[in-house]
Amino acid sequence: DVKVTQSSRYLVKRTGEKVFLECVQDMDHENMFWYRQDPGLGLRLIYFSYDVKMKEKGDIPEGYSVSREKKERFSLILESASTNQTSMYLCASVPLGGDGNQPQHFGDGTRLSIL
Amino acid sequence: AQSVTQLDSHVSVSEGTPVLLRCNYSSSYSPSLFWYVQHPNKGLQLLLKYTSAATLVKGINGFEAEFKKSETSFHLTKPSAHMSDAAEYFCVVSLWGGYQKVTFGTGTKLQVIP
Repeated sequence: DVKVTQSSRYLVKRTGEKVFLECVQDMDHENMFWYRQDPGLGLRLIYFSYDVKMKEKGDIPEGYSVSREKKERFSLILESASTNQTSMYLCASVPLGGDGNQPQHFGDGTRLSIL
Repeated sequence: AQSVTQLDSHVSVSEGTPVLLRCNYSSSYSPSLFWYVQHPNKGLQLLLKYTSAATLVKGINGFEAEFKKSETSFHLTKPSAHMSDAAEYFCVVSLWGGYQKVTFGTGTKLQVIP
């Protein structure tokens, strides 16, 4: 079974801090994703990566960056946290190829509060 | 371009009665479609997927969904609701264009009344 592990379930940080959210998957998947989830808005894609050191902006990349130094690990970075980044953050992974018919596998999420 | 509309933000059913969660999609090409479930403070778990094989798809926990191309719908059903089904459900459309482009619906919260 695929396991996607997010390092923290709950995190509280202060405005202006640099925040790191870590995600590790154990199935050698090429593609990894970061989403944020807000009530009534569903999941919105922040960034994704289809290979080591590769990254692509999603729909809402402003205020975020990512790092993928190893295939199994994908980090989301809030460069200078702001209160409007308080949210639930979800990481997902999926293998490369096919025609889009592979389901993404999700971690349990990190609930981030910025004070 | 692709989009997903979940027609109800909240659905309430009594335990033992049928469940219907509605989803309409729009896509330029033949998409793959998924339903996920999310229990409180958990990640998303795959319920079922449609990938252009049988139009009636069976998933886990007694759920199934029917792909209707003429209606661009992919509604999720279950004959008899259980208390453990109370959760939020997401309909998802997926296309491949060099990378997997996934669009999520805004979710339907299912309440099950004892």
